[in-house]
Amino acid sequence: EAQVTQNPRYLITVTGKKLTVTCSQNMNHEYMSWYRQDPGLGLRQIYYSMNVEVTDKGDVPEGYKVSRKEKRNFPLILESPSPNQTSLYFCASSARKQGVGTDTQYFGPGTRLTVL
Amino acid sequence: AQSVAQPEDQVNVAEGNPLTVKCTYSVSGNPYLFWYVQYPNRGLQFLLKYITGDNLVKGSYGFEAEFNKSQTSFHLKKPSALVSDSALYFCAVRPQGNKLTFGGGTRVLVKP
Repeated sequence: EAQVTQNPRYLITVTGKKLTVTCSQNMNHEYMSWYRQDPGLGLRQIYYSMNVEVTDKGDVPEGYKVSRKEKRNFPLILESPSPNQTSLYFCASSARKQGVGTDTQYFGPGTRLTVL
Repeated sequence: AQSVAQPEDQVNVAEGNPLTVKCTYSVSGNPYLFWYVQYPNRGLQFLLKYITGDNLVKGSYGFEAEFNKSQTSFHLKKPSALVSDSALYFCAVRPQGNKLTFGGGTRVLVKP
């Protein structure tokens, strides 16, 4: 089954304790992205990756890091989490079509993070 | 800069009545437009998209959307709403590039 998986689904942590949220897709997609969802703000892009070893900042990258060492994985790293990073996080992936760019994005189930 | 507006935070409709969720956008060039739906405790699911061609796009679960270039709108519609359509709906725009920008979301509540 084609899917995007994220782990963990729920996480409660404390300020300053480094954490990683994993994301994996089995569709051989080139493009992967991280979003955070906050009430009334929709989804805002944190980071994205066009392919292996190619990453770039989205709209709200402060406090986050990513890496893309393999095509299927795109982990989100919070080196020193703060309460304002409490949010619902989604990973997404899509194929890229020449001359068109990214196609429909497929989303993971989400990770609800609480930073105390 | 590209932007998407969903002017209604919530839409209430009786089951069996038509459902419309509004979306307007601002982008330079020809946009790609998407609708996604989010059910409780789930990720976003793709409903439909407009790339080019016919302005009326049909998607999953009986939904359709009409692209109106002059009004820069892409409203989502369903002729007869079901209780199971109750969810959070997001409009998104992608200009000729890769960045997808989402609206703030509209919560749809369909009452029996």
